[in-house]
Amino acid sequence: DVVLTQSPATLSVTPGERISLSCRASESVDTYLHWYQQKPNESPRLLIKYASQSISGIPSRFSGSGSGTDFTLSINGVELEDLSIYYCQQGNSLPYTFGAGTKLELK
Amino acid sequence: EVQLVESGGGLVQPGRSLKLSCAASGFTFSNYYMAWVRQAPKKGLEWVATISTSGSRTYYPDSVKGRFTISRDNAKSSLYLQMNSLKSEDTATYYCARRELGPLDYWGQGVMVTVSS
Repeated sequence: DVVLTQSPATLSVTPGERISLSCRASESVDTYLHWYQQKPNESPRLLIKYASQSISGIPSRFSGSGSGTDFTLSINGVELEDLSIYYCQQGNSLPYTFGAGTKLELK
Repeated sequence: EVQLVESGGGLVQPGRSLKLSCAASGFTFSNYYMAWVRQAPKKGLEWVATISTSGSRTYYPDSVKGRFTISRDNAKSSLYLQMNSLKSEDTATYYCARRELGPLDYWGQGVMVTVSS
């Protein structure tokens, strides 16, 4: 199974700063890597698909990059509403797997 | 507007069965693969089943293979998850999700399943 390692586990942020979250795969997943946001007591929401493709309705401050085994989700100007858990998920090989998540908290 | 509404959760004893349902609306259900994803309390996400548009192809990870069965009724725009031989480690919120070729682009609100004596 492909293991996705997300880091850091928790990130303390200040509104307005630019941040980057990492997701590393145990083997290449090409660009079959997707990012989700889960706010407290809500369902996950798709943020970025295929490593870097934007999703309609998602604020432009969210962007993704990477291919192979190393991926990054960036937020350019964190807002309070972005305090959530972020998960990466690979869709390259079965079983499809998720990372353990990165939690954004207020500094 | 795409909507996915799960139902059928609850408290069940270990070893017993439970069937979850997901009612879909706002899109042509028969055109999409669908999936079930679960989240144990305070834990991460686990993909537990996926089904093709016609229902002819299904996939399960080892953790539920042989115990869970995903199915669909395209005429009713409904997705199901039959869960047998339930274990305490199956306790989780179960989400129904639409699969847009690769990613899961819409999720339901989730339904809680608690396996306990």
